[in-house]
Amino acid sequence: NAGVTQTPKFQVLKTGQSMTLQCAQDMNHEYMSWYRQDPGMGLRLIHYSVGAGITDQGEVPNGYNVSRSTTEDFPLRLLSAAPSQTSVYFCASSYVTGRQPQHFGDGTRLSIL
Amino acid sequence: AQKVTQAQTEISVVEKEDVTLDCVYETRDTTYYLFWYKQPPSGELVFLIRRNSFDEQNEISGRYSWNFQKSTSSFNFTITASQVVDSAVYFCALSGEYGNKLVFGAGTILRVKS
Repeated sequence: NAGVTQTPKFQVLKTGQSMTLQCAQDMNHEYMSWYRQDPGMGLRLIHYSVGAGITDQGEVPNGYNVSRSTTEDFPLRLLSAAPSQTSVYFCASSYVTGRQPQHFGDGTRLSIL
Repeated sequence: AQKVTQAQTEISVVEKEDVTLDCVYETRDTTYYLFWYKQPPSGELVFLIRRNSFDEQNEISGRYSWNFQKSTSSFNFTITASQVVDSAVYFCALSGEYGNKLVFGAGTILRVKS
């Protein structure tokens, strides 16, 4: 039972490059989301999805795109990476109701030079 | 808007001391959920507890206990007889009834020295 799988675990990009962070879950969860973690700021919601074909913006969506073509996958795209996007990115999934704890992936550490 | 405040940026204790991590939240929802997550040095997020807004019972799980008080909008976390393995960043988080959008506090770094 893999849970939430994020790839890659580490990545270094140059400013202006594009990249897709992958997230897959095998628990048939409707809800998936992306957070970024920055020192002293906790985790902040970037984008989320309540099911295939449905996505919405979180607190810090600028510079990121998402799509949800299947229940299992929720990739996060950086179209033109900027140094301000240097962060640790976490993908999470759960059932839709707020009472369920979210399952987090192990994170992707991204550095933009 | 929802907000979670963890005023303690960093706490250092000596092994076997008790330590309390504070969490204060703001929300206009009548139904909401509070969570604590642990992030050890390895970086993953580990779910510790969930509490809904209608259940103010304190909870104890081994050396961990949680005190939820709606009157003060607080959900504090106490570790009894701390151990070096408790060293981690601890996050308090809040979600509303409709959806899973978690709002996190800034986290508290706990250092337990032997």
